[in-house]
Amino acid sequence: GAVVSQHPSRVICKSGTSVKIECRSLDFQATTMFWYRQFPKKSLMLMATSNEGSKATYEQGVEKDKFLINHASLTLSTLTVTSAHPEDSSFYICSARQFLNTEAFFGQGTRLTVV
Amino acid sequence: RKEVEQDPGPFNVPEGATVAFNCTYSNSASQSFFWYRQDCRKEPKLLMSVYSSGNEDGRFTAQLNRASQYISLLIRDSKLSDSATYLCVVNENRDDKIIFGKGTRLHILP
Repeated sequence: GAVVSQHPSRVICKSGTSVKIECRSLDFQATTMFWYRQFPKKSLMLMATSNEGSKATYEQGVEKDKFLINHASLTLSTLTVTSAHPEDSSFYICSARQFLNTEAFFGQGTRLTVV
Repeated sequence: RKEVEQDPGPFNVPEGATVAFNCTYSNSASQSFFWYRQDCRKEPKLLMSVYSSGNEDGRFTAQLNRASQYISLLIRDSKLSDSATYLCVVNENRDDKIIFGKGTRLHILP
């Protein structure tokens, strides 16, 4: 399958700071990228969908000013968690898809711990 | 009704047995369907897409029933390495959302 690289895989930050997570599609052009978060032993929760060159579409209950998503190119999307709080600690995963109706491929995930 | 529903399990199945999971979806206009597997603390990995005519990949068979709005996954001759959480995924084309079920946990017992 296609390769999606997510970085960093693990990050610990202090409350109040911002953290940027990168998601890159390495061998295909991702017209759409998705950002999820997952709590332990829970399902993936879609946070937002982003299409290259346009603003992200956020799911209900997800604060767009807190979780800034940028999809500036067909191979890169970033998620910035601003003014992080301990309750933002979670596993964040991106996925990328080339065309509508095709499968999405996942990054390795980022485990964020806010202390 | 939840958008995508799965039996969370766990399914405890002896090695070599056959196991089947179902997943129901609420949006009749959904167009594409997938099964992913997720190992503990790892990202989901695509297992197989689900086509209207049904499809098979080795020991795995996926089927789609549009009339009843469910998809299924059958695993034959189960291996210890099949132990994982299996996620049903539906693409709601209307607003292009990829919806995940909560997953079905499978434990293959030696």
